[in-house]
Amino acid sequence: GAGVSQSPSNKVTEKGKDVELRCDPISGHTALYWYRQSLGQGLEFLIYFQGNSAPDKSGLPSDRFSAERTGGSVSTLTIQRTQQEDSAVYLCASSWRLARETQYFGPGTRLLVL
Amino acid sequence: GDSVTQMEGPVTLSEEAFLTINCTYTATGYPSLFWYVQYPGEGLQLLLKATKADDKGSNKGFEATYRKETTSFHLEKGSVQVSDSAVYFCALSARAAGNNAGNMLTFGGGTRLMVKP
Repeated sequence: GAGVSQSPSNKVTEKGKDVELRCDPISGHTALYWYRQSLGQGLEFLIYFQGNSAPDKSGLPSDRFSAERTGGSVSTLTIQRTQQEDSAVYLCASSWRLARETQYFGPGTRLLVL
Repeated sequence: GDSVTQMEGPVTLSEEAFLTINCTYTATGYPSLFWYVQYPGEGLQLLLKATKADDKGSNKGFEATYRKETTSFHLEKGSVQVSDSAVYFCALSARAAGNNAGNMLTFGGGTRLMVKP
């Protein structure tokens, strides 16, 4: 079946603009995760959803970052007033459930902030 | 907090050579352990996993054994191929905060493997 999809695949924006990154998880997967892959920080966890709920937002780098999930499916990661240090590949993953389930990753969105 | 340490690369090998990529971890409780692979221009793919001590994960000729006593999960392959050239990430799955906690993955820094014909 279809895997995790993300859009856009690439995004170039100017410093100070807002961006929205979208993730479509594998159908039927209730858990959804966002990670960031950058040169300086490696792969870091940002936030997870169980259904539409995000119990812990402490992994988000700053209050400019927010995420939501609707209908237990699509998730959007929004970055307001982008900064150059936000440049990274943003990865989404999903799993059938939360506990110890394998996470399947999407291809990522490569964000470049000029 | 939880952490994963893996050998820095790049690792350069000739085709058919033996591969070992070391991975050690620090975690509370009993995490699950994973190796993910990222081929050039592609996303992260699960290579193998182990969920408890002494389990051996294996796939595509790669294998790794969950060693609780040495907190290690070293990746091995007996004979590498050019097509194995990629970046390999060791990761552990541990509970995120919250009563209904999800399992966040903590990754090592990645090891780039280059296999020459």
